[in-house]
Amino acid sequence: GNSVTQMEGPVTLSEEAFLTINCTYTATGYPSLFWYVQYPGEGLQLLLKATKADDKGSNKGFEATYRKETTSFHLEKGSVQVSDSAVYFCALLLASKLTFGTGTRLQVTL
Amino acid sequence: DAGVTQSPTHLIKTRGQHVTLRCSPISGHKSVSWYQQVLGQGPQFIFQYYEKEERGRGNFPDRFSARQFPNYSSELNVNALLLGDSALYLCASSLAYLASAVGTEAFFGQGTRLTVV
Repeated sequence: GNSVTQMEGPVTLSEEAFLTINCTYTATGYPSLFWYVQYPGEGLQLLLKATKADDKGSNKGFEATYRKETTSFHLEKGSVQVSDSAVYFCALLLASKLTFGTGTRLQVTL
Repeated sequence: DAGVTQSPTHLIKTRGQHVTLRCSPISGHKSVSWYQQVLGQGPQFIFQYYEKEERGRGNFPDRFSARQFPNYSSELNVNALLLGDSALYLCASSLAYLASAVGTEAFFGQGTRLTVV
């Protein structure tokens, strides 16, 4: 079956630090890949996406590149802010179904 | 523009009871999907409906059922509630059938927090 593996959290960073959250996937086809963010008490918001190999998704300073050879879609940001504190979910879309990772909590401190 | 709206936002039910959760998709969206998010986990796919027909089902027991109405709103029903059904239930809408189509995106509501006691 399809699955998504994310790095364990929580990840604690100081403001302006560099962020990487690792995500790898297993899929029986060629999925689209997504990062969603969930702020406390809220639903999921789409952060960025990539639909084919070597695509780079980007939004609000976050980036992720679809790496088919390593089946990865790592999330990066050059300089995090306190407002980026949230839970981040990597997900793949295949056959009408989104499959999510378990989420990585990011805590950014001043 | 209104986003995906879900009701109620919170509810508490007793084991063995039945619950109905409601979702109104973004205007113009014809597809609705339901997900269960247990605390500390990622969302798990339950159902997808498109044009009022079930187009996908996750690995959930028959106690879970859903339907989509002519106005594309949807209900998720859960019978014979168990303690393990306590979770955040998320509804997502998309413009088209949520397959691996380029540009297809799912927009999520804020969820219904169900607590079974």
